[in-house]
Amino acid sequence: NAGVTQTPKFQVLKTGQSMTLQCAQDMNHNSMYWYRQDPGMGLRLIYYSASEGTTDKGEVPNGYNVSRLNKREFSLRLESAAPSQTSVYFCASKGTGNTGELFFGEGSRLTVL
Amino acid sequence: RKEVEQDPGPFNVPEGATVAFNCTYSNSASQSFFWYRQDCRKEPKLLMSVYSSGNEDGRFTAQLNRASQYISLLIRDSKLSDSATYLCVVFSGGYNKLIFGAGTRLAVHP
Repeated sequence: NAGVTQTPKFQVLKTGQSMTLQCAQDMNHNSMYWYRQDPGMGLRLIYYSASEGTTDKGEVPNGYNVSRLNKREFSLRLESAAPSQTSVYFCASKGTGNTGELFFGEGSRLTVL
Repeated sequence: RKEVEQDPGPFNVPEGATVAFNCTYSNSASQSFFWYRQDCRKEPKLLMSVYSSGNEDGRFTAQLNRASQYISLLIRDSKLSDSATYLCVVFSGGYNKLIFGAGTRLAVHP
């Protein structure tokens, strides 16, 4: 029962470094999402992918890129990390239909110094 | 104005108390509404959907008031294990229209 798996769980970067957060789901969901969560801000959508081969910007896409490698995997890349990108990142997936149930990974805590 | 607003709390209540949270939303075209629960340093998980007629799941009751554009969550007979942050979520259709509130923190003490 893996559900949504994301790695790494923790990462410390220096300003300007790059890194990729990996996410995989085994529920055969079409839609996948990357959110960031900051204190007092709630979850904000960075990018989403409605299906394999498509990606779209969410509310806060600047400084990030994504790749929907296949139906299972959706990665988030920080090309040149900035302190403002210090956050907790959650990957999520959703089944078909107008349901609000997202299945989240355990989160990745990123600190940019 | 934020699309979805919640009182951040914290709500500190004793075991056995009844507590209610409200959440307001700004988009009158919003279609579906949900409450998620998030434990400290964990991922959010769906608690319950909110239906127009109101719905109940054990000690939890959710209600929707479309005219005033708010939803509520009532927890009866609070347990220590109810301590968490409760996120109000509004779905306005489309893949990118699931909007999360910042959450209301509940702390239940003995």
